[in-house]
Amino acid sequence: AQRVTQPEKLLSVFKGAPVELKCNYSYSGSPELFWYVQYSRQRLQLLLRHISRESIKGFTADLNKGETSFHLKKPFAQEEDSAMYYCALRGQGAQKLVFGQGTRLTINP
Amino acid sequence: GAGVSQSPRYKVAKRGQDVALRCDPISGHVSLFWYQQALGQGPEFLTYFQNEAQLDKSGLPSDRFFAERPEGSVSTLKIQRTQQEDSAVYLCASSGDRVYGYTFGSGTRLTVV
Repeated sequence: AQRVTQPEKLLSVFKGAPVELKCNYSYSGSPELFWYVQYSRQRLQLLLRHISRESIKGFTADLNKGETSFHLKKPFAQEEDSAMYYCALRGQGAQKLVFGQGTRLTINP
Repeated sequence: GAGVSQSPRYKVAKRGQDVALRCDPISGHVSLFWYQQALGQGPEFLTYFQNEAQLDKSGLPSDRFFAERPEGSVSTLKIQRTQQEDSAVYLCASSGDRVYGYTFGSGTRLTVV
């Protein structure tokens, strides 16, 4: 079965502090992992994909197959990073995404 | 259009009423998905279309839920005899290329009273 777990429903950090949003998954094959973000009053949008190994808005995420994790990190949080973040998995050859429950990140000034 | 458009944005239905939710995907996008997002939860997959073919409907929670995309563009999600547990945001997403993620619509918030 495919499952994505985001253990923190809420995360609050101060501006300038490092941020790490945790994501663990269970999947027997080689998954594709994504992070989606939803800012206040905006639609859900793609933040980054593990296959592209890119950094978007200062965020990075590394797929750790040994620990089945795909944690999202940013060294210095900014107030505009406050949003809802969802980790998602897509199985090999599959089309649908399986989402975690989401983490609400609040950056305090 | 420039993005995925969903209508209505909000729908209040009395229990037992039928509702129809519309999704206008990005022009040319082959793949179309419907998700249900309950309060405080992540989106949960309902169904997937490739053009007009419904290739996966494994997420539809009951036979009261029905989706169609007859001409391979606009899609409608229909819920018959709505129940309170159907209250959620219904998200539509489209994709033109599997390599990239989806583009989501703003969703329809359904409240069943």
